[in-house]
Formats: sequence, C-alpha cells, structure tokens
Amino acid sequence: DTAVSQTPKYLVTQMGNDKSIKCEQNLGHDTMYWYKQDSKKFLKIMFSYNNKELIINETVPNRFSPKSPDKAHLNLHINSLELGDSAVYFCASSPLSPWAYNEQFFGPGTRLTVL
Amino acid sequence: QQQVKQSPQSLIVQKGGISIINCAYENTAFDYFPWYQQFPGKGPALLIAIRPDVSEKKEGRFTISFNKSAKQFSLHIMDSQPGDSATYFCAASSGGSYIPTFGRGTSLIVHP
Repeated sequence: DTAVSQTPKYLVTQMGNDKSIKCEQNLGHDTMYWYKQDSKKFLKIMFSYNNKELIINETVPNRFSPKSPDKAHLNLHINSLELGDSAVYFCASSPLSPWAYNEQFFGPGTRLTVL
Repeated sequence: QQQVKQSPQSLIVQKGGISIINCAYENTAFDYFPWYQQFPGKGPALLIAIRPDVSEKKEGRFTISFNKSAKQFSLHIMDSQPGDSATYFCAASSGGSYIPTFGRGTSLIVHP
C-alpha cells in the first residue's frame, strides 16, 4: 500500500547515457513533483505537474524531461547524463495545486550515480 | 540565493535532552512554515507546520516557535530519543507558489 513509489531505487550508469525514473502515486493527488537532493542533502524543486499539465519548471537543463501520462504517474527522463547529475531524485505528490497550503508526500528516492 | 537559512548543520544530543534547530528567512511574503523529517534512505515526511498567525505550535514532543518580527522560527524536540535521529528540514512557502523553499537540513543524532 505504498503511497508514492519510485523505480528504480538505485541507478548506476555511464556518462552520456539516457535513463528514466518512474514515479507512481496511489493517493489520488492532483499534483506531482520532482526534487533533486544533492550530496549535501540540499533539496531543490525541479518540476511540478498539476493534472498532467506542467506548471512549474525551475532552472533545469533541458536534458531533463518530465512526462505525465496520467494524474497518477510522473516520469523523469534524463538525456546525455553528466557527472553532476549524480544525486538522489525524489518524486512527491500533494492533494491540491501548488497554490494552496498542502503537505508534500515524498517517495523513497532514486539514487543516481553517473560514472 | 538561499532564502531559508538553517542551523546548526549537525547536532548531537543525549537521550532525554532538548534538540533545537533554528531557521531564518528573508522573504516577508512567506506565510507557511513546515518542518520535514528524513530518515536515512527514505524521503522527507512532514513533521509539523505553522502559519504566522500563531507564535507556537505543539504536537507531542515537537514544538515550533515562530517569531514574525525577527523572521525566525525553530523546532524544539523535547525528551529527544534515539529514534528521532534523522535529518530535519525547515521550509517556507508563500501564496502564489506553496512549493516549499527548503533549508539545508540539520543532521540530528540522539545518543542513547
């Protein structure tokens, strides 16, 4: 009965490769997010989708492309991976749009290591 | 530009002691201040949150103190337990975008 799930949990790959991370939430939430947590644990928002529509796109290289096939899924595809992309990526969801007070429910994270 | 400054970066407390983590913000438009708790290998989870219309909020052993004039807020963990050992993030958000801006986190270790 996992609320927000991500796959894979670990991802090790070579520079220049393309990889995807999948996220699913079974909470019935309208809004989903991708966050990046660096080696110093700093959490930074990357994207936000509300009802499958991209509403927030922070300053992120265009090698990162989110895709939301439906309200319950938000995947992250990364092209031409670079060493600096190594981090833990968290998917999150919230019951309302980002323009309302609401709790963020985080997934367990995907640790991406680029060699 | 770091909009939410959190200190200390790490904190070691003995079991039964009080853990105090402080945060300061600059943007006066912030009007929602959540704290998230993250255990190793897990995602952050909301612990407690406060709005600026109150100066304190308590939930069990966890208390947020809020000082609007100083633009500061803090988390107090009373009777700290080894199970409280985690990374704690303060955050702030405002109308227009309630996506939180996170502090840099405090790694708390509670020794038995």
